[in-house]
Amino acid sequence: DTGVSQDPRHKITKRGQNVTFRCDPISEHNRLYWYRQTLGQGPEFLTYFQNEAQLEKSRLLSDRFSAERPKGSFSTLEIQRTEQGDSAMYLCASSGRLAGGNTGELFFGEGSRLTVL
Amino acid sequence: AQSVTQPDIHITVSEGASLELRCNYSYGATPYLFWYVQSPGQGLQLLLKYFSGDTLVQGIKGFEAEFKRSQSSFNLRKPSVHWSDAAEYFCAVGNQAGTALIFGKGTTLSVSS
Repeated sequence: DTGVSQDPRHKITKRGQNVTFRCDPISEHNRLYWYRQTLGQGPEFLTYFQNEAQLEKSRLLSDRFSAERPKGSFSTLEIQRTEQGDSAMYLCASSGRLAGGNTGELFFGEGSRLTVL
Repeated sequence: AQSVTQPDIHITVSEGASLELRCNYSYGATPYLFWYVQSPGQGLQLLLKYFSGDTLVQGIKGFEAEFKRSQSSFNLRKPSVHWSDAAEYFCAVGNQAGTALIFGKGTTLSVSS
């Protein structure tokens, strides 16, 4: 079990540039979540997928943000025309279904830290 | 509105002393409750979870939590804190449908010698 992996771990970019983060969930998990965490705050929900379908998006996910999960495996989160306020840790998590029901438990990656200069 | 409140932003405990971190939630459906820990530079790790049944749940690293429906609380406890427990602790609430967890803002635990 390799866990949830995220890439890159750290990205520094200039304001106005586009960035893309990748998340590889635990292989047997059908749900994948993106969260954002800023200093001193808890993780804030951005969006989640069940298989390849994007089921929910937070109002935090502005038009500059887009997430995809082609084929229901890995996911990408793209931020276009980055702003300094986008600086944060972007966390990916996955969850799966056990016999008898969904555990609701999320397994997190170590995150991708974005710094926008 | 669905929310999680962790009233204590920062707590300092002496090594060997007991610990209680508070968590209150507001949730319309039957809650699934979680405590996660985050050490510097590390991802979030699940300490324990409550779905149903016994309201006192045991987790990893000697932690336990008690669900009190009447108080909408899910406080985390440990009888004797170790220096390695210094970290940030997050309470979260979700549901059986597996929609996104809602997290509190976290409590930072410092351990003094």
